[in-house]
Amino acid sequence: SAVISQKPSRDICQRGTSLTIQCQVDSQVTMMFWYRQQPGQSLTLIATANQGSEATYESGFVIDKFPISRPNLTFSTLTVSNMSPEDSSIYLCSVDGARASTDTQYFGPGTRLTVL
Amino acid sequence: GNSVTQMEGPVTLSEEAFLTINCTYTATGYPSLFWYVQYPGEGLQLLLKATKADDKGSNKGFEATYRKETTSFHLEKGSVQVSDSAVYFCAPRGRRFGAGTRLTVKP
Repeated sequence: SAVISQKPSRDICQRGTSLTIQCQVDSQVTMMFWYRQQPGQSLTLIATANQGSEATYESGFVIDKFPISRPNLTFSTLTVSNMSPEDSSIYLCSVDGARASTDTQYFGPGTRLTVL
Repeated sequence: GNSVTQMEGPVTLSEEAFLTINCTYTATGYPSLFWYVQYPGEGLQLLLKATKADDKGSNKGFEATYRKETTSFHLEKGSVQVSDSAVYFCAPRGRRFGAGTRLTVKP
């Protein structure tokens, strides 16, 4: 399995500002994923982050709004830019399992974002 | 890409009742299939998985069988407990999750 930590765990931000969320994994993984989970909703994939290349964004999500970094095999950041109240959500980092469980996804505890 | 259609909730059961949450998939080939659970205030955890057709995944009394002929992966438990109250997500390998089914078990 993989142990994932996220910072911050929660934040309250003002409209128009930006927040960077960090995701740290305790082992090297090839693929990292960023999801959004709005209140009472399912998970929506924002983008896939591979080390050494640009992130791949899902339909409806763009790099200018959600820039992602992936500097190494254990770390990634997601920035929520120019925030509005509609961005209030839980943001989740996820990775593919390493070694024997490569097709299983593991999730971080999430970052609860509230935009005023 | 791979996707799932999941039974809508919420589902409310009495303790010791039988649970079924339906999940059907659309996929290219036969990808691994997963059930994840999200307990109140917590992150997602893998509940069980099946990696090929006719496989049965099981954990904590929950079971799901990968049925190729009906393209289904229904989640079942013979006797639910209050502690099973959570949101359950079906997902194929490919990152796209079902809508989630909220289960509430009453004593």
